[in-house]
Amino acid sequence: DAKTTQPTSMDCAEGRAANLPCNHSTISGNEYVYWYRQIHSQGPQYIIHGLKNNETNEMASLIITEDRKSSTLILPHATLRDTAVYYCIVRNSGYALNFGKGTSLLVTP
Amino acid sequence: DAGITQSPRYKITETGRQVTLMCHQTWSHSYMFWYRQDLGHGLRLIYYSAAADITDKGEVPDGYVVSRSKTENFPLTLESATRSQTSVYFCASSESGGAYSPLHFGNGTRLTVT
Repeated sequence: DAKTTQPTSMDCAEGRAANLPCNHSTISGNEYVYWYRQIHSQGPQYIIHGLKNNETNEMASLIITEDRKSSTLILPHATLRDTAVYYCIVRNSGYALNFGKGTSLLVTP
Repeated sequence: DAGITQSPRYKITETGRQVTLMCHQTWSHSYMFWYRQDLGHGLRLIYYSAAADITDKGEVPDGYVVSRSKTENFPLTLESATRSQTSVYFCASSESGGAYSPLHFGNGTRLTVT
């Protein structure tokens, strides 16, 4: 699986959009981009995934660049409960997901 | 509530004892997984199962045993616990094995081996 690079930490004001970037410049054509988050003492929570097209669900939007070398997870209206570590993962057919170190997002009042 | 549940939430055991961690899912997902999470190592895959009675090793299977007699259950057994198996264990499930099928995780079992 391709490696990903994320900022170590980010801050966001409550109610504003949180835009979390991820670089995956070595991604191959059959690899999906996944986003998970982990709140302290809980299991990783699936957020969204995509292959080429932008995706949106009830939690977030995923914007993938045309060359697929980077992506952005957007939480449109961040709340305090969105404070967590966010992991960008590139996945092919394997099951050993590489969560890396992720981005620690702090949402402030 | 539908979902994936793990039990116990916390467990303390002594070196050499056998301990079983339970995982139950109500989605009828075909695939189930066991991961462990340790500081400095992230999540590592221990075992996975594609269906009832089909299991396979992951990255770190030594010292662990799994079984899957029913689709909804995937217990993980440490036959003789060691201190190096102190960790947080997460069970996960997915509808299929393809890369397009997301894994959904339980809330984990924090295991301490003394």
